Amino acid sequence: GAVVSQHPSRVICKSGTSVKIECRSLDFQATTMFWYRQFPKQSLMLMATSNEGSKATYEQGVEKDKFLINHASLTLSTLTVTSAHPEDSSFYICSAVKSPGGTNEKLFFGSGTQLSVL
Amino acid sequence: QKEVEQDPGPLSVPEGAIVSLNCTYSNSAFQYFMWYRQYSRKGPELLMYTYSSGNKEDGRFTAQVDKSSKYISLFIRDSQPSDSATYLCAMSNTGYSSASKIIFGSGTRLSIRP
Repeated sequence: GAVVSQHPSRVICKSGTSVKIECRSLDFQATTMFWYRQFPKQSLMLMATSNEGSKATYEQGVEKDKFLINHASLTLSTLTVTSAHPEDSSFYICSAVKSPGGTNEKLFFGSGTQLSVL
Repeated sequence: QKEVEQDPGPLSVPEGAIVSLNCTYSNSAFQYFMWYRQYSRKGPELLMYTYSSGNKEDGRFTAQVDKSSKYISLFIRDSQPSDSATYLCAMSNTGYSSASKIIFGSGTRLSIRP
């Protein structure tokens, strides 16, 4: 299957600092990637859609100035949590679409990043 | 009412048992149905996908969709400890990869006892 790499897998930071999370599609080009957050025992909540070469589309209630998304290449999207606070502590997961528009179009997920803000 | 309802479990069964995981939904427009497996602190992995009603089998796994009842199931035969994970159902009316339109269940935690 396709591989989507996410880094770091775990990060602990102090309140007020910014944290960058990377999401890479290793064996395919992804014009579209997605960012989710997941609280314990809860489902995935879509935060934003990251489009290569253009601005990200944020879901309702997600602060775009708080969660900066950059999709500068066809294989890399980054999520920066700015001025992180304890309530931002969560499991963040990215996903990428392989073969968009084709019969084998599928969504593949990264391994996730556990963010803990002290 | 949530669009997709899934019993969070945990569900604990002995090795070798048949496992039945289920979801109900309210949106009759859903046509694409998926099951993801998520190990602790990992991203979800697509396990099975089906279109509209019917059954699909892949090895020890069978996905079943009953659109008339708005009910989907995942059966695991000959369950093994390595099947222990959280299983998320997901569905969409636009495709398997239209992430902005995919609705996920909250996941069922499954534990297979050796």
